[in-house]
Amino acid sequence: GNSVTQMEGPVTLSEEAFLTINCTYTATGYPSLFWYVQYPGEGLQLLLKATKADDKGSNKGFEATYRKETTSFHLEKGSVQVSDSAVYFCALSDRDNFNKFYFGSGTKLNVKP
Amino acid sequence: NAGVMQNPRHLVRRRGQEARLRCSPMKGHSHVYWYRQLPEEGLKFMVYLQKENIIDESGMPKERFSAEFPKEGPSILRIQQVVRGDSAAYFCASSPLGQGYEQYFGPGTRLTVT
Repeated sequence: GNSVTQMEGPVTLSEEAFLTINCTYTATGYPSLFWYVQYPGEGLQLLLKATKADDKGSNKGFEATYRKETTSFHLEKGSVQVSDSAVYFCALSDRDNFNKFYFGSGTKLNVKP
Repeated sequence: NAGVMQNPRHLVRRRGQEARLRCSPMKGHSHVYWYRQLPEEGLKFMVYLQKENIIDESGMPKERFSAEFPKEGPSILRIQQVVRGDSAAYFCASSPLGQGYEQYFGPGTRLTVT
């Protein structure tokens, strides 16, 4: 079956620190992979995506590379800001099954000034 | 181009009442997905609809829950005889073609059952 596992939070960092949030997946086919961000009281916003192996998604200083050999899609940012404080969700879409999304449980990031 | 709209944003119901959640997809999108987010958890797929068709409802609880996406108007997620365990955030997402495209999420409806 399909599933996503991401590191538990909360993750607390000081401003300008390096961020890594680990995400691994299990999939029966060839999924697309996504990172979504959720700010308090709001819906999910797409942060970045990758649709095939070795693709790198990037946006707003965040990056993630689709690694088929390790079934991973780790999120990284070189220098976090207080405004990056949010919950981050890793997700995969099963293109062979109506494009259903499977989400990880989310990782809360707290960035201190 | 307006995003996915959901209303109400917050809904309070007493146990045993009915809850109706509405979702208007983005313009030009004919595929709608509903997800439920329990506190401190990720989103779980509930149902996938196209206009006038339920394509996949494998994530829907067997009783009390139903969904529709009529030819005209928003998609509706209906919960009958709500219980405290139904308290959650319900998110709707839409996509233009279904297969292989990212989904655009609405702001969610936060249902509280008292």
